[in-house]
Amino acid sequence: SQQGEEDPQALSIQEGENATMNCSYKTSINNLQWYRQNSGRGLVHLILIRSNEREKHSGRLRVTLDTSKKSSSLLITASRAADTASYFCAACSGAGSYQLTFGKGTKLSVIP
Amino acid sequence: DADVTQTPRNRITKTGKRIMLECSQTKGHDRMYWYRQDPGLGLRLIYYSFDVKDINKGEISDGYSVSRQAQAKFSLSLESAIPNQTALYFCATSEVTADTQYFGPGTRLTVL
Repeated sequence: SQQGEEDPQALSIQEGENATMNCSYKTSINNLQWYRQNSGRGLVHLILIRSNEREKHSGRLRVTLDTSKKSSSLLITASRAADTASYFCAACSGAGSYQLTFGKGTKLSVIP
Repeated sequence: DADVTQTPRNRITKTGKRIMLECSQTKGHDRMYWYRQDPGLGLRLIYYSFDVKDINKGEISDGYSVSRQAQAKFSLSLESAIPNQTALYFCATSEVTADTQYFGPGTRLTVL
């Protein structure tokens, strides 16, 4: 069953605006990860936030995690046309932290 | 050179045919994974391997088999392909001590 569920399914913004994507998950996690996928290509890891962390930054990315609500958000600031892609959250669970359960993704379009 | 490679990149086959998808990695990682992605859906885990002698079923292993020929090679087989196995297939790797997974470029498989 799907663990991570992203919201919205699709998002269209102007270049320079901020983009926010949300993710909900169902069970206890070791960490939550966000990946980006350019059309039809492999996924690229963006950022990982551990279950004992509440917020993490990496460049123009900001991730928050609320374990009480089983939710996470990804904020991309000052978006660029090159940010156009699908973004997936992946809930990491299991002993040894091997199992990633992906959501269906948010398709982001950044209009120049 | 890419760290995780998949062959073939595209394959069209007929119902009932046996097909093998191959994955090779130069990252030196012990853990390898096979996922499938269907349109509008996230990735689902088919099989995973922690080392050459440790292979495990994932969420959707029915109709698939795998072989871990060496640390660097992990193959996925469809013994008798059926149309609903048409999908994008990804191989991924990870270190034992880290949670991040590194994905190959994918194989687009069409079963007619």
